[in-house]
Amino acid sequence: QVHLVQSGAEVQKPGASVKVSCKASGYIFTYYTLHWVRQAPGQGLEWMGWINTDDGNTKYSQQFQGRVTITRDTSASTAYMELSTLRSDDTAVYFCARGTVTYYFDYWGQGTLVTVSS
Amino acid sequence: DIQMTQSPSSLSASVGDRVTITCRASQGITSYLAWYQQKPGKVPELLIYAASTLQSGVPSRFSGSGSGTDFTLTISSLQPEDVATYYCQKYNNAPLTFGGGTKVEIK
Repeated sequence: QVHLVQSGAEVQKPGASVKVSCKASGYIFTYYTLHWVRQAPGQGLEWMGWINTDDGNTKYSQQFQGRVTITRDTSASTAYMELSTLRSDDTAVYFCARGTVTYYFDYWGQGTLVTVSS
Repeated sequence: DIQMTQSPSSLSASVGDRVTITCRASQGITSYLAWYQQKPGKVPELLIYAASTLQSGVPSRFSGSGSGTDFTLTISSLQPEDVATYYCQKYNNAPLTFGGGTKVEIK
């Protein structure tokens, strides 16, 4: 069965960076895209970007362009999302999600809480 | 960028009621529309894709319709376990925007 397991909660100071991992299992990693979505406390879902796990190409939301970097390690079936220059309003739960061929999300990671606080 | 607008933002209905949530795209997206359910404190789950195709394992009381700019999620008979926030999402191209969500509660 498909599983996406994310790294644990993080507390970071404003201006710092955070890197969250998402380890996939139960399917061929390079056959599906991997997306990142965040959810601020009490708020809705916000798509951040995706990576083509086969060739490493990425696409980011304009809102995060320049601050977010998504990478992958195919040998470890793991994707990473790094967000830099953190602000207090980056405090959120960050989810990874598997994208199907047509890019809707059929499996999600458990979420990683990132808290930005001085 | 295409904007996704859901209505209502919240609703309260009785068990057994028919519930309808709408999602409107600011431009046509043909049928590249998914619906997700997020129960309190849980991870979102896929309910419907391609506007009207039920994901495997999802109860048949859920249905989706629409194409182009206007879409609907219907729960034919609301159950206590359906208490959740529901999100639509366009996925025809990036950005893969979500609607603002509709919180469904039991009256």
